[in-house]
Amino acid sequence: EDQVTQSPEALRLQEGESSSLNCSYTVSGLRGLFWYRQDPGKGPEFLFTLYSAGEEKEKERLKATLTKKESFLHITAPKPEDSATYLCAVLRGSNYKLTFGKGTLLTVNP
Amino acid sequence: GAVVSQHPSWVICKSGTSVKIECRSLDFQATTMFWYRQFPKQSLMLMATSNEGSKATYEQGVEKDKFLINHASLTLSTLTVTSAHPEDSSFYICSAREDSGREHYGYTFGSGTRLTVV
Repeated sequence: EDQVTQSPEALRLQEGESSSLNCSYTVSGLRGLFWYRQDPGKGPEFLFTLYSAGEEKEKERLKATLTKKESFLHITAPKPEDSATYLCAVLRGSNYKLTFGKGTLLTVNP
Repeated sequence: GAVVSQHPSWVICKSGTSVKIECRSLDFQATTMFWYRQFPKQSLMLMATSNEGSKATYEQGVEKDKFLINHASLTLSTLTVTSAHPEDSSFYICSAREDSGREHYGYTFGSGTRLTVV
């Protein structure tokens, strides 16, 4: 059974204090690992897709990396507007179904 | 970019009544759409996969008679919660998979519907 575990559950940072969120996964035949941002009362907003170990992608203050067992979402010099829940999801096989982790609630204080 | 419109954003209904939630892909075709349920501080749990022109595929433990899904066109899927009870209160989110299969496999999410059953 696919498993996706995110840590920490919650993270509180000061503005400008860089950190990383972790997503560890157990899935055979990974087709893609997704990172989404979710604001309260909203649907997830797409950030990145990573397909193979060693791959990295960047967008503004965010950088996502992937190994064979886990993915990291690095946040450099975060701002209060980066506060949100960050979700990790994996896709395997041909059924197009995503399996989500529980998310990391990030709070960035000014 | 791809946009998925979900309506209503929130709804309050009485126990025993039915509620319909719409999920519409605005600028792309989606043969496959998905319906999720999310409890506070919990992950998105897949309820069912909606396939245009055919029956939905429900996940284990999801009552297909309670959660009716219709995907009558390539841009619209609906979820009807029948005979709603307070335990059905939750945040429901749809997503659509773009048929053209863009870079991120085209999974775009709606903004969600907060259902409260009183």
